[in-house]
Amino acid sequence: AQRVTQPEKLLSVFKGAPVELKCNYSYSGSPELFWYVQYSRQRLQLLLRHISRESIKGFTADLNKGETSFHLKKPFAQEEDSAMYYCALSSSGAGSYQLTFGKGTKLSVIP
Amino acid sequence: KAGVTQTPRYLIKTRGQQVTLSCSPISGHRSVSWYQQTPGQGLQFLFEYFSETQRNKGNFPGRFSGRQFSNSRSEMNVSTLELGDSALYLCASSLARTSGNSYNEQFFGPGTRLTVL
Repeated sequence: AQRVTQPEKLLSVFKGAPVELKCNYSYSGSPELFWYVQYSRQRLQLLLRHISRESIKGFTADLNKGETSFHLKKPFAQEEDSAMYYCALSSSGAGSYQLTFGKGTKLSVIP
Repeated sequence: KAGVTQTPRYLIKTRGQQVTLSCSPISGHRSVSWYQQTPGQGLQFLFEYFSETQRNKGNFPGRFSGRQFSNSRSEMNVSTLELGDSALYLCASSLARTSGNSYNEQFFGPGTRLTVL
């Protein structure tokens, strides 16, 4: 069975400081991993996916299969980054979707 | 494009009752997934529908069921409500995914907040 662990419920950083949101996973197959974000009073939305290896809003995440991790990083936090962040793993059976989410980390950026 | 819509947005029921929640996907999206979000368990996958067929199901009791219509709109039903069913129920839609294809992003609705008294 797949599992996603986000060890920090809350992470507070000062504006301009580096941010790292941790995510570890367990999955027997080849994982597809994502970070979703939920800003206050907004819908859950995709931030980035490991396949695309892109940087969104200054955030990056590298899949480390050896350590089974997919940590989200940003070199300089901004106040607008304050939100709930969820790490998620996609497992597919017969082409269908099932996202397994971590319990989320609330990022608070202190001005 | 209009986003995923869910109705109603808020619902209050009592134990033992049943409830039906509705989800309208983004136009052209054929896959609809449902998730339950609670403070204790977080986001948990309920089921996914594609072309009116349930393709995948999470670990929930049979009281939780769903269906999808020919226009891709979906409903989920919870019978014999329990206090623990109080949660935010999220619906997500995406383009069809066929086996081996790359991921198609899931777009989430605002959710239906269900309170069971």
